[in-house]
Amino acid sequence: DQQVKQNSPSLSVQEGRISILNCDYTNSMFDYFLWYKKYPAEGPTFLISISSIKDKNEDGRFTVFLNKSAKHLSLHIVPSQPGDSAVYFCAASFHPLTSGTYKYIFGTGTRLKVLA
Amino acid sequence: GAGVSQSPRYKVAKRGQDVALRCDPISGHVSLFWYQQALGQGPEFLTYFQNEAQLDKSGLPSDRFFAERPEGSVSTLKIQRTQQEDSAVYLCASSVASGRAFEQYFGPGTRLTVT
Repeated sequence: DQQVKQNSPSLSVQEGRISILNCDYTNSMFDYFLWYKKYPAEGPTFLISISSIKDKNEDGRFTVFLNKSAKHLSLHIVPSQPGDSAVYFCAASFHPLTSGTYKYIFGTGTRLKVLA
Repeated sequence: GAGVSQSPRYKVAKRGQDVALRCDPISGHVSLFWYQQALGQGPEFLTYFQNEAQLDKSGLPSDRFFAERPEGSVSTLKIQRTQQEDSAVYLCASSVASGRAFEQYFGPGTRLTVT
C-alpha cells in the first residue's frame, strides 16, 4: 500500500519553462513534507520542505504547494535549467507512537529532463 | 569531507554470503537512518539510531538484517545469508537532531548485488 505516490515516472520540459512535479498521499497523519533531488550515483539531497500548517513555501526557483484537502503537493521549478535534470522524490513524515523518531515515507520518484 | 560517506560503494555477494555495509555520518549528528532502495522505488525505512541507541528497527525485513552503532557515530548494517531479493541500494542518512523533521543528509549509498 503506497502511502506516497508520484504517478508520473518521467517528465520532459524545455529550458526556461516551468516544471511541475506532483505527489499524492493517503495518510492524514503526515505533518511535514519534503522534496529531494537525486543525481545518478549520489544520495538524495534535500531541496525544500513544507509544514502541514502552510500551503506554500518558496525558495528561489523552487516552490512547493500543499493542498491538504486533496492530499496533494506539487513542486514548481521556474525557470527550469538543464542542471535541474535529476530524479525528484517527495517524502512525507509522521511520528508513530511506537517509534523514537519521525519516519519518512518516500514516493517512487519522477525523472525530470530539462531540454536545452 | 563533511558529508555522509558509505563503503563499499559497490558490493557483489554470492547468495548465502554475509555482508557488512558501513556508514560514516556527519560529525555530531545524533540521528542515523538506514534505508533500502530497490530499483525504480523510493527509499524505504529500515532502522533508526539516536546516538548509539537503536530506537526503531521496524523496517528490517528479516532477522538476517542487523544494524549497530556502538559508539554513536559510525554504523554498520549487516546482512547474513544474503538472498537475491536483498539486491538494492542501501542508503544511510544522518540529521543533526532527533526532534522535529530536520532534513536528512544522505550518503551516496552502497549498491548490493546478490548473484
